[in-house]
Amino acid sequence: AQTVTQSQPEMSVQEAETVTLSCTYDTSENNYYLFWYKQPPSRQMILVIRQEAYKQQNATENRFSVNFQKAAKSFSLKISDSQLGDTAMYFCAFRGPYNDYKLSFGAGTTVTVRA
Amino acid sequence: GAVVSQHPSRVICKSGTSVKIECRSLDFQATTMFWYRQFPKQSLMLMATSNEGSKATYEQGVEKDKFLINHASLTLSTLTVTSAHPEDSSFYICSARWVGQGHGYTFGSGTRLTVV
Repeated sequence: AQTVTQSQPEMSVQEAETVTLSCTYDTSENNYYLFWYKQPPSRQMILVIRQEAYKQQNATENRFSVNFQKAAKSFSLKISDSQLGDTAMYFCAFRGPYNDYKLSFGAGTTVTVRA
Repeated sequence: GAVVSQHPSRVICKSGTSVKIECRSLDFQATTMFWYRQFPKQSLMLMATSNEGSKATYEQGVEKDKFLINHASLTLSTLTVTSAHPEDSSFYICSARWVGQGHGYTFGSGTRLTVV
């Protein structure tokens, strides 16, 4: 399995402010997929954003954007204008160009948005 | 679209009994289903991958005789925890790969298993 590292176990942010979550990964592949998933207290896994490695343009989804640095094998998530509903555990995940389609998850970062 | 329904959401069973967890893809055909286990405040640990009509592939260290996976149709995969013990208590999540607009993975809502 590929190694995905999230070095920030917990982060706290004031409502309306911005927070950035880090993620690094280890691979020798050139084509792969990266994901950020959100797991709120309900524990339902929700896709936040997805990035294909062959695309140089960073993916964005409303208030969520990524900084994809392929050479550095870095895939950080920025949450802008944080809302109380963003409080959740966030997981970075990697999928290689393999036919088994397995996802490798990082350890997760718990984000708490303060009112 | 691409919804996976997982049942039950919570189950309590006695030690030594078996429990079955179902995951159904409601609006797509799930040729591949993944089963995860998650401990509180930890990441998802992949237990096995099931493909419709074939035997599941288990990750290293996962007891295939304890965690029986069946994927008999394109819309239903089941995980049976056999002879459950308190250490099997955990949160179990299924996930299906879907190919549609782009492609991705959709997750069930999870099952909290408590073995007493």
